[in-house]
Amino acid sequence: DAGVTQSPTHLIKTRGQQVTLRCSPKSGHDTVSWYQQALGQGPQFIFQYYEEEERQRGNFPDRFSGHQFPNYSSELNVNALLLGDSALYLCASSLLGLQTYEQYFGPGTRLTVT
Amino acid sequence: GQQVMQIPQYQHVQEGEDFTTYCNSSTTLSNIQWYKQRPGGHPVFLIQLVKSGEVKKQKRLTFQFGEAKKNSSLHITATQTTDVGTYFCAVTLMEYGNKLVFGAGTILRVKS
Repeated sequence: DAGVTQSPTHLIKTRGQQVTLRCSPKSGHDTVSWYQQALGQGPQFIFQYYEEEERQRGNFPDRFSGHQFPNYSSELNVNALLLGDSALYLCASSLLGLQTYEQYFGPGTRLTVT
Repeated sequence: GQQVMQIPQYQHVQEGEDFTTYCNSSTTLSNIQWYKQRPGGHPVFLIQLVKSGEVKKQKRLTFQFGEAKKNSSLHITATQTTDVGTYFCAVTLMEYGNKLVFGAGTILRVKS
């Protein structure tokens, strides 16, 4: 049973550039959430995708956008990168219909903006 | 403002000692989840508490949900070096829909 996978593992970008991160959910899961985790902090919710639509969004600017594909995989796009965007980006999958909202996290993508 | 406060921020214990982390909210919670993140790793789900006053145990870990559903605790009995990591509580707040809001975490270090 494949868990949540993310790519790439690490990424270095320059200010102003754009980046795309990818996530494949755990087998059988239909919902993907993205989180940003700065060093020494808890994960901060960016947004959640279900049925290829953004279902919920956290307090992140429009520079952060996403997409979910018919196979439930997802992408996170960040435009006009800032130094403050450097963080670990975590993808988590879950099943929307379950009473529990247990999140299965992927290993993350470490983004460094220079 | 911060929706959920987690204390302490950091704890360093001798192997075999007990450890407790607390999560507090000013509003009534629908439920609370606990996650563990090993150094360099990603958060791993431990448990979810839903009912007022609920107590759940997983081997040496005991999880409690307050009667008013505004606070929770995670207690580890006789810590081992494998317990090292950051423990996060995460809550869903009705005014924020079903978004999961994480606490800042408690870093646990264990001296052997």
